[in-house]
Amino acid sequence: GAVVSQHPSWVICKSGTSVKIECRSLDFQATTMFWYRQFPKQSLMLMATSNEGSKATYEQGVEKDKFLINHASLTLSTLTVTSAHPEDSSFYICSATIRTDSTDTQYFGPGTRLTVL
Amino acid sequence: GNSVTQMEGPVTLSEEAFLTINCTYTATGYPSLFWYVQYPGEGLQLLLKATKADDKGSNKGFEATYRKETTSFHLEKGSVQVSDSAVYFCALIANSGYALNFGKGTSLLVTP
Repeated sequence: GAVVSQHPSWVICKSGTSVKIECRSLDFQATTMFWYRQFPKQSLMLMATSNEGSKATYEQGVEKDKFLINHASLTLSTLTVTSAHPEDSSFYICSATIRTDSTDTQYFGPGTRLTVL
Repeated sequence: GNSVTQMEGPVTLSEEAFLTINCTYTATGYPSLFWYVQYPGEGLQLLLKATKADDKGSNKGFEATYRKETTSFHLEKGSVQVSDSAVYFCALIANSGYALNFGKGTSLLVTP
């Protein structure tokens, strides 16, 4: 159980185009999903917290107009990188939370590698 | 604020050696503590967790004990295998609904 999928697993796009990344919880409902970004050989950087049916909460320094997050259902959150540029190239990882016995556990997707040419 | 500090890597061990990766944390209240593992090119997998003081999380031969008195959650394994080569992240959740606070990760390389 507790499987999180991401699609696509990798994408290459031209500068100026927009890219949508989907994150799905396959066997559970996730009220809260998180989006992270990871640079090579570094830890994960939280970008935003996504709650179903409400606007995402972005971390300081993350442009909400550039990284659009939609959490349309309890099993799906999407991240759209708008007008992508080479500096947006990175590994994007989502996670979904299960709460059991008042404890949250996050399960992660396999990640999406974005390369902007 | 909340933070996690883990030992710098990379750590290189021979197969069947004993592994310890140190992790200490700073948090208000009573956080839940986690170890995640990341294999090359993949996302993170939950390795083990502990939700209260003195709890021991264990999985696949790895163990970690939640030590509130030393604010630590060190990861140990008695005999590592080549397949354990990966990056290990210590993390905490301070409160429900919050995101994980990650350490910087420790790269482990196990050689035959």
